[in-house]
Amino acid sequence: EVQLVESGGGLVQPGGSLRLSCAASGFTFSSYSMNWVRQAPGKGLEWVSYISSSSSTIYYADSVKGRFTISRDNAKNSLYLQMNSLRDEDTAVYYCARDNLQWLGPGVDYWGQGTLVTVSS
Amino acid sequence: QTVVTQEPSLTVSPGGTVTLTCASSTGAVTSGYYPNWFQQKPGQAPRALIYSTSNKHSWTPARFSGSLLGGKAALTLSGVQPEDEAEYYCLLYYGGAQPYVFGTGTKVTVL
Repeated sequence: EVQLVESGGGLVQPGGSLRLSCAASGFTFSSYSMNWVRQAPGKGLEWVSYISSSSSTIYYADSVKGRFTISRDNAKNSLYLQMNSLRDEDTAVYYCARDNLQWLGPGVDYWGQGTLVTVSS
Repeated sequence: QTVVTQEPSLTVSPGGTVTLTCASSTGAVTSGYYPNWFQQKPGQAPRALIYSTSNKHSWTPARFSGSLLGGKAALTLSGVQPEDEAEYYCLLYYGGAQPYVFGTGTKVTVL
């Protein structure tokens, strides 16, 4: 069974930092690209970042570029999101989401349950 | 800034049919945007329903179908069940440095 379990969320002051983790199991993690997607309270989904299976390709949404860093450790079956210079508008539930296998076309299939990040003084 | 627009809300009777659409600010949506559809119920993570316009995941109920309709991606729910009441999001692929954009979401009420 595919499982994605996020951790590391919490309350942080504006300008602070936080590191999110996503533990993957039930599939060959090193074969899949991964994404972070967030959802502000009462709002829609926003794609945040993408990392390819070998970490050779990385993309960020303009809203987080230069402040967030995505990374992965295939030996530990883990995905990370380092978030620096946090702003009030970064408050959201952050989801780890698996990218489709390449031959299925771009998209996302499995999602974690999310971890809440609250940026507030 | 690319915007992907969906109907804010739709209401359907149990057993009825409803079609949700997904439009791109850049122009007509084609299969090259690989439309994906997701269902999200309150307090839950999204669940994938459709990929590459019309393909169902192994867990997707048969009553859900995806297509292209009048320059938009579309999700049709046929024989709607009460448990289909949820928020639905589309996802379009634009390639390049910011490959994915989610739609604004459609709240489907079964009444």
